[in-house]
Amino acid sequence: AQSVAQPEDQVNVAEGNPLTVKCTYSVSGNPYLFWYVQYPNRGLQFLLKYITGDNLVKGSYGFEAEFNKSQTSFHLKKPSALVSDSALYFCAVRDFPSNFGNEKLTFGTGTRLTIIP
Amino acid sequence: DAMVIQNPRYQVTQFGKPVTLSCSQTLNHNVMYWYQQKSSQAPKLLFHYYDKDFNNEADTPDNFQSRRPNTSFCFLDIRSPGLGDAAMYLCATSRLEGAGEKLFFGSGTQLSVL
Repeated sequence: AQSVAQPEDQVNVAEGNPLTVKCTYSVSGNPYLFWYVQYPNRGLQFLLKYITGDNLVKGSYGFEAEFNKSQTSFHLKKPSALVSDSALYFCAVRDFPSNFGNEKLTFGTGTRLTIIP
Repeated sequence: DAMVIQNPRYQVTQFGKPVTLSCSQTLNHNVMYWYQQKSSQAPKLLFHYYDKDFNNEADTPDNFQSRRPNTSFCFLDIRSPGLGDAAMYLCATSRLEGAGEKLFFGSGTQLSVL
């Protein structure tokens, strides 16, 4: 069975500093990895995904994530944090291949990122 | 803008009183999903539709039902809500069912059960 772990419930970063939100995964096949962000009173929004190719994936709002197969990690990063980055971040994984047409997306429990002015 | 719209934003119901949550989409996507998200927990998939084909998750209680009368609309029916069903319910869509597909989410409906 596939699973995702986000080891930190809360991450605080000073504005302008680099930020990292951690994610590790477990799959039996190849991982398809995603990051979503949830702002207050809003639904989840897609940030970026890794399917194959370059291990460094760039996404929306200046975020990027690095796929590390040996460490089974997919940490989200940004070189310089903004106050507007404060939100709830979810890592998610699909195990591929699985039954075609039934690749369920499994989410982590989320990390609340707070950027301190 | 094309989007996923959920109504109402907040829903209060009484213990055991049936309730329906609504979702509509203007993206013309084939797949629609319903997730349950409780506080400090990961969103949990309840079921999804690929076109008219319904796919129920094995651990989704029978109390939860869904209808998709057309491409644009999908409903979540809770036949007899219990206190444990209080949660945020998220509707999402994707163009296809493939592993690399990203999901587009609505803003959610926060359900309270009194």
